[in-house]
Amino acid sequence: DSGVTQTPKHLITATGQRVTLRCSPRSGDLSVYWYQQSLDQGLQFLIQYYNGEERAKGNILERFSAQQFPDLHSELNLSSLELGDSALYFCASSKNPGGNNEQFFGPGTRLTVL
Amino acid sequence: GENVEQHPSTLSVQEGDSAVIKCTYSDSASNYFPWYKQELGKGPQLIIDIRSNVGEKKDQRIAVTLNKTAKHFSLHITETQPEDSAVYFCAGANQAGTALIFGKGTTLSVSS
Repeated sequence: DSGVTQTPKHLITATGQRVTLRCSPRSGDLSVYWYQQSLDQGLQFLIQYYNGEERAKGNILERFSAQQFPDLHSELNLSSLELGDSALYFCASSKNPGGNNEQFFGPGTRLTVL
Repeated sequence: GENVEQHPSTLSVQEGDSAVIKCTYSDSASNYFPWYKQELGKGPQLIIDIRSNVGEKKDQRIAVTLNKTAKHFSLHITETQPEDSAVYFCAGANQAGTALIFGKGTTLSVSS
């Protein structure tokens, strides 16, 4: 158990809908990262927050957004969902910002768009 | 930007044999190289990492080597066991980088 929690574990929805994925980082970690894992693209970095502020964006679509709250939990919002958005979404956390810090991953949310 | 290539994509070994997975990276400024193990239905688990100021690091049956000149690093698992069966990912990052760049993964199967 990494100490990172994610809810829900599974999410099934229809095209055009909007969903919210939630992540709580390890105790003491200030940085949260969101990754998307699909069979054809592997693990792709989406966005990073550090202590409530957006720090970096990766391959995140405009339909997707995220935020980190004062209690440091983070939410990833996916809207106007398409079939191709079906994937595993992982949250990771680290103490400090920057890719060269140890990152610990949560169990993920499996999103299925029908 | 950084690009990480990983080989092989699948690897099958007999229990007790050694397994080696290799990765190359493109950004010479990269200085942090973690390895993750992902079991079915679970998130990636950090199993070992190495920074560019060392050439090798060991943790029981697992070791990682880094060749900065050639820009490649490898994961070595000795005395493999069936519970080592999983997908292994390498990754790279540098101090200025904001996130990890992952390889495509290696599916390791250990048969008894």
